[in-house]
Amino acid sequence: GAVVSQHPSRVICKSGTSVKIECRSLDFQATTMFWYRQFPKQSLMLMATSNEGSKATYEQGVEKDKFLINHASLTLSTLTVTSAHPEDSSFYICSARVWGTDYEQYFGPGTRLTVT
Amino acid sequence: EDQVTQSPEALRLQEGESSSLNCSYTVSGLRGLFWYRQDPGKGPEFLFTLYSAGEEKEKERLKATLTKKESFLHITAPKPEDSATYLCAVQVLGDTGFQKLVFGTGTRLLVSP
Repeated sequence: GAVVSQHPSRVICKSGTSVKIECRSLDFQATTMFWYRQFPKQSLMLMATSNEGSKATYEQGVEKDKFLINHASLTLSTLTVTSAHPEDSSFYICSARVWGTDYEQYFGPGTRLTVT
Repeated sequence: EDQVTQSPEALRLQEGESSSLNCSYTVSGLRGLFWYRQDPGKGPEFLFTLYSAGEEKEKERLKATLTKKESFLHITAPKPEDSATYLCAVQVLGDTGFQKLVFGTGTRLLVSP
């Protein structure tokens, strides 16, 4: 139980284009989903918290207009990187909080984004 | 500022050689401490949650303990398949009003046969 999937697992795009990453909770409902970014040999940094049916809440320093998050249902959240630049290249990971619990987060397998 | 420090950064063990990983934290209000395992190019895999000092949890060769300032992940008789990066995270109330996880930078464990 508590499986989270992400799609795509890898994506390469050209500078200036937009990329959408999907995060799904497969066997549970997730009222809250989180988006993280991880640079090589560094830890996970929270980008935003996404609650179903409402606007995402972004961490300080994360550009809302660049990283668009939509959480349209209890099982799906999407992250769109708009006008991507090479410095946006990173490993993006989502997680989902199980409905009815306060704390446990289950992570997706991650999406490797490379902007050329 | 909430901080999580893990040590050592990297650890090399022989198969069967037990050891411990450390996670020390400074937070304004701890709402749980989490241990995750992360394999290269993959997302973190949930291992344990600890909520109060003195609490212990076990799973196969792993045992996690918690005090008021740190947590230990004890690995007993490790096997090569235990090789991974082990991440510690604390759950705190963020500036946004939502609870969030603050991660340490991890301990890279390599177990040689």
